[in-house]
Amino acid sequence: AQSVTQPDIHITVSEGASLELRCNYSYGATPYLFWYVQSPGQGLQLLLKYFSGDTLVQGIKGFEAEFKRSQSSFNLRKPSVHWSDAAEYFCASGGATNKLIFGTGTLLAVQP
Amino acid sequence: DAGITQSPRHKVTETGTPVTLRCHQTENHRYMYWYRQDPGHGLRLIHYSYGVKDTDKGEVSDGYSVSRSKTEDFLLTLESATSSQTSVYFCAAQRETYNEQFFGPGTRLTVL
Repeated sequence: AQSVTQPDIHITVSEGASLELRCNYSYGATPYLFWYVQSPGQGLQLLLKYFSGDTLVQGIKGFEAEFKRSQSSFNLRKPSVHWSDAAEYFCASGGATNKLIFGTGTLLAVQP
Repeated sequence: DAGITQSPRHKVTETGTPVTLRCHQTENHRYMYWYRQDPGHGLRLIHYSYGVKDTDKGEVSDGYSVSRSKTEDFLLTLESATSSQTSVYFCAAQRETYNEQFFGPGTRLTVL
């Protein structure tokens, strides 16, 4: 069965520091992969997506993610974090059915 | 963006009362979903729809029912609300391909 793991529940970074949020998936074929961001009291906003092709994908707000088939990973990165990036981030995987499988989320705190 | 709205945005009700949440989309997507979000659990799928009058259960469907009489509207009903159904409920619509989902702003439901 398809599954998604986000190993880090909470991460704290300093403003201006680089960020990497981890996501691992389990699926026999190439999955569709997504990162969503949720600010407090808001819905989920799509940051970026991977379907096929170039394994490094660019998203909104300066985020990027890299699909690594050998590691079954789709980690989210940002070179310099801003205080407004504090939010919860969800990785999701699709492809096996018409449903998305979500990870349990990583809560990002940004220190001034 | 699928132009998804949810109503009401907030609701407080009492145990045992029926509650209906409404989701409306403007992009004519075939697939629609209802999730609940609780701390420590991420997003859990309640029910989904793959067309008018075509619905199926998700992983946490007990105590919930859905209806879809028009492409644009997907209703979630709690027949007899319980305190365990206090949660934030999100609706999503999905493109026909690639499982790309767009989310509504959520409904915060409190059952006293």
